[in-house]
Amino acid sequence: GDSVTQMEGPVTLSEEAFLTINCTYTATGYPSLFWYVQYPGEGLQLLLKATKADDKGSNKGFEATYRKETTSFHLEKGSVQVSDSAVYFCALSSGANSKLTFGKGITLSVRP
Amino acid sequence: GAVVSQHPSRVICKSGTSVKIECRSLDFQATTMFWYRQFPKQSLMLMATSNEGSKATYEQGVEKDKFLINHASLTLSTLTVTSAHPEDSSFYICSARDGGAKNIQYFGAGTRLSVL
Repeated sequence: GDSVTQMEGPVTLSEEAFLTINCTYTATGYPSLFWYVQYPGEGLQLLLKATKADDKGSNKGFEATYRKETTSFHLEKGSVQVSDSAVYFCALSSGANSKLTFGKGITLSVRP
Repeated sequence: GAVVSQHPSRVICKSGTSVKIECRSLDFQATTMFWYRQFPKQSLMLMATSNEGSKATYEQGVEKDKFLINHASLTLSTLTVTSAHPEDSSFYICSARDGGAKNIQYFGAGTRLSVL
C-alpha cells in the first residue's frame, strides 16, 4: 500500500538557518503530494502541494519539488523564523477517494 | 482558502457518556469528509470516510458502533463517540474535500476529547 516516510525529528534550528525536511513516498499510480503544517493546539493547514512530476509547490518561503525518479518531496526554506515552529507532515493522495496518507510528522523548533 | 469549522474545540466528559463533534464546510460543498484521530506526538490515523447521503466507510480496526458518523448534508458531518471511555481520549480532526478542480482536503482545528 501507499506509505510516506519522513526523517526523524525533532529538529531545532536558529533563526535564519536553512531548513530541509526529507520526505519519501511509496505509491501505486501517480499520487499528489502535500506538506501540511500543524501549529500547537490547532488542526492541519495545507502548506503547499504538487500534483505531477517536477512540479514545485511553494508558499510562505517554503518549497518542495515532486521528484518521481527519487520518489521524494523534500521541504526546504532558505531562512526560518521563530514563527515557523510547528509540526510538519508530508502526505500523499491517490485513488478515487483521494484518501490522504500521512508521514509521522516532524517537530521543528526555531530559536531566536 | 476554504474554511472548515469543527466544534467543539475541547470537551471533557464522564466515562459512559456520548459526545458529538460537528464538522462544517463553510464556503464550499463537501461531498466527502474524513475523520482522523491523532495520538500525542504521532501522525493522523484515518478513522473513516464520510460521503454525503450514504454510510461511512470505516478503516480496519475502527469500531463503527463506537464511532457513529453521519453526513446528512453537503456541509455537515458529525462524529459521535458513544459510551466514551478514558482510552477514547484523543485529538479528533475532520477534513472536508473540495471536490472541484483543486480536489484538496481542508482541515478543521480539531477537538480535544478528555474522558474522565
